[in-house]
Amino acid sequence: EVQLVQSGAEVKKAGESLKISCKASGYKFTTYWIAWVRQMPGKGLQWMGIVYPGDSDTRYGPSFQGQVTISADKSITTAYLQWSSLKASDTAMYYCARRIATSSGYYMDVWGKGTTVTVSS
Amino acid sequence: QSVLTQPPSVSGAPGQRVTISCTGSNSNTGAGYDVHWYQQLPGTAPRLLIYGNSNRPSGVPDRFSGSKSGTSASLAISGLQAEDEADYYCQSYDTSLSDYVFGAGTKVTVL
Repeated sequence: EVQLVQSGAEVKKAGESLKISCKASGYKFTTYWIAWVRQMPGKGLQWMGIVYPGDSDTRYGPSFQGQVTISADKSITTAYLQWSSLKASDTAMYYCARRIATSSGYYMDVWGKGTTVTVSS
Repeated sequence: QSVLTQPPSVSGAPGQRVTISCTGSNSNTGAGYDVHWYQQLPGTAPRLLIYGNSNRPSGVPDRFSGSKSGTSASLAISGLQAEDEADYYCQSYDTSLSDYVFGAGTKVTVL
């Protein structure tokens, strides 16, 4: 069974750093991109970026470029999302998901349960 | 403002059929990129409901169906059930933004 298991909830202060994780199992980790998606409280879904664990190639959404760092460690089949200096506006639920590419687009077929990040000012 | 436009809410009685529209533009849905749909039950992660405009993943009931024409797509739920109360999001890819785009979501209420 394909699974993405995310790390637990985090409570941080503004200015602190943070790295959350997403451990994959049940498929060949190095052959699928992993996406990160943000959901702010009471709001919709926003795509943040993706990483290809095979060679660590990374792409970022325009709103998130320079704001976060996405990475992966293929030796432990885990993807990461990190911040160097959190802001209160980073308070949200963060989901990782496996990305599927077709000849006419991209979608996310398996999702993690999410990691809640709360940042106090 | 979301790049893909969905109605904020739709409602229906049990057993009825409801549809949710998703309208894009020439840089996403109109450019030939597929539309995909996700269901998010309260307090849970999104779940893939429809991919490639009209395909259901294994385990998704055939009460859910999707279609696309031009810049617009729609999700239909027939035989509405109480367990279908959720938020539904459409998603595509935008070539101008080089970004994966979601609609703002539609809340389905079963009366």
